[in-house]
Amino acid sequence: AQSVTQLGSHVSVSEGALVLLRCNYSSSVPPYLFWYVQYPNQGLQLLLKYTSAATLVKGINGFEAEFKKSETSFHLTKPSAHMRDAAEYFCAVSEGSSSASKIIFGSGTRLSIRP
Amino acid sequence: GAVVSQHPSWVICKSGTSVKIECRSLDFQATTMFWYRQFPKQSLMLMATSNEGSKATYEQGVEKDKFLINHASLTLSTLTVTSAHPEDSSFYICSAKARGMNTEAFFGQGTRLTVV
Repeated sequence: AQSVTQLGSHVSVSEGALVLLRCNYSSSVPPYLFWYVQYPNQGLQLLLKYTSAATLVKGINGFEAEFKKSETSFHLTKPSAHMRDAAEYFCAVSEGSSSASKIIFGSGTRLSIRP
Repeated sequence: GAVVSQHPSWVICKSGTSVKIECRSLDFQATTMFWYRQFPKQSLMLMATSNEGSKATYEQGVEKDKFLINHASLTLSTLTVTSAHPEDSSFYICSAKARGMNTEAFFGQGTRLTVV
């Protein structure tokens, strides 16, 4: 079964600093990987996804993630943090591309931005 | 495009009553819908997967008689929390996969259920 581990339940960076949110996955087959963002009392918005094409994936709001099979990692980065980036971020994995393929979430990382 | 709408956004109910939450795909046909539960400051836990016209598949530990899921059409799935108790209070989120776009799921805005 697939799973994801997010290192660090809370990350705090200064505005303008690099954002790095860590995610490691476990999957018995080539995975599909996602990063979602959640603002308080709202649903999830997809930031980006890896579906076995390019290993460096660019998403919305300046975020990107790199799939590294050797490290089973899919870390999320943004060169310069903005106050509006403060939110909860979830890494997720799905095995397979069928309609029934479940998406399993990591525990989440709360990103805080210091002025 | 690819909008999923949940209704209601929040609901308060008395213990022992039942509550129905709707999840609609507004501009696409949802072959599969997923229901998640999220406790405060925690991750999303998958409760069940439903396919249009068939019975839902529940995750281990989820009471299917308590959380009734109906996926009657390609644009609507409902979750009914029966005989609700305070411990059922939570944030419930649905997601849907569109026909032909199976690698990505689209999420509703969630429903905050409070049982008093």
